[in-house]
Amino acid sequence: GEDVEQSLFLSVREGDSSVINCTYTDSSSTYLYWYKQEPGAGLQLLTYIFSNMDMKQDQRLTVLLNKKDKHLSLRIADTQTGDSAIYFCAEGIYNFNKFYFGSGTKLNVKP
Amino acid sequence: DGGITQSPKYLFRKEGQNVTLSCEQNLNHDAMYWYRQDPGQGLRLIYYSQIVNDFQKGDIAEGYSVSREKKESFPLTVTSAQKNPTAFYLCASNTRGGNQPQHFGDGTRLSIL
Repeated sequence: GEDVEQSLFLSVREGDSSVINCTYTDSSSTYLYWYKQEPGAGLQLLTYIFSNMDMKQDQRLTVLLNKKDKHLSLRIADTQTGDSAIYFCAEGIYNFNKFYFGSGTKLNVKP
Repeated sequence: DGGITQSPKYLFRKEGQNVTLSCEQNLNHDAMYWYRQDPGQGLRLIYYSQIVNDFQKGDIAEGYSVSREKKESFPLTVTSAQKNPTAFYLCASNTRGGNQPQHFGDGTRLSIL
């Protein structure tokens, strides 16, 4: 399958911004996704970006896409303790309806 | 409210036993997927189905089987041939085409007795 890579852990203080990074390999991706997983639960879709966009903002979430470097980031402004979870990056491969997920980044928010 | 329902939430399997995990969706989605999640790892695709009565193997299909007799339902059977079945199993669905985002159920945790 395709390689989607993320760092495993991130720790921030409440109120700071969090930036979670992801790299992917397939240049034919159409959409790139961010999901959140809380303990013992399924994945909740946070946001997604079409591969011809550079940036998407949705309230406290900002997604940046650098197609040249195949780099995707998720910025969470004013991080709260409720944001503590595992965040997965995923890419959707054009026309095959297949998805590849990274290993997830565990975000720990300290009060 | 529309969504994906997985049951049971917890399941225990004895050695040599087959068990079936249920996944039902009322989102009118054509495509459905089964993933396995192990601690500290990402999701690995077991099987997927783009349409009723058709399904394809994913990356780790050995020891698993599925059926897709109805659009709403995509049950997964973990057979006795799967030697390391302890994991968290996630079912997902989406609309076919255009890489529409997948929506997930709340998962089933399978453990060996």
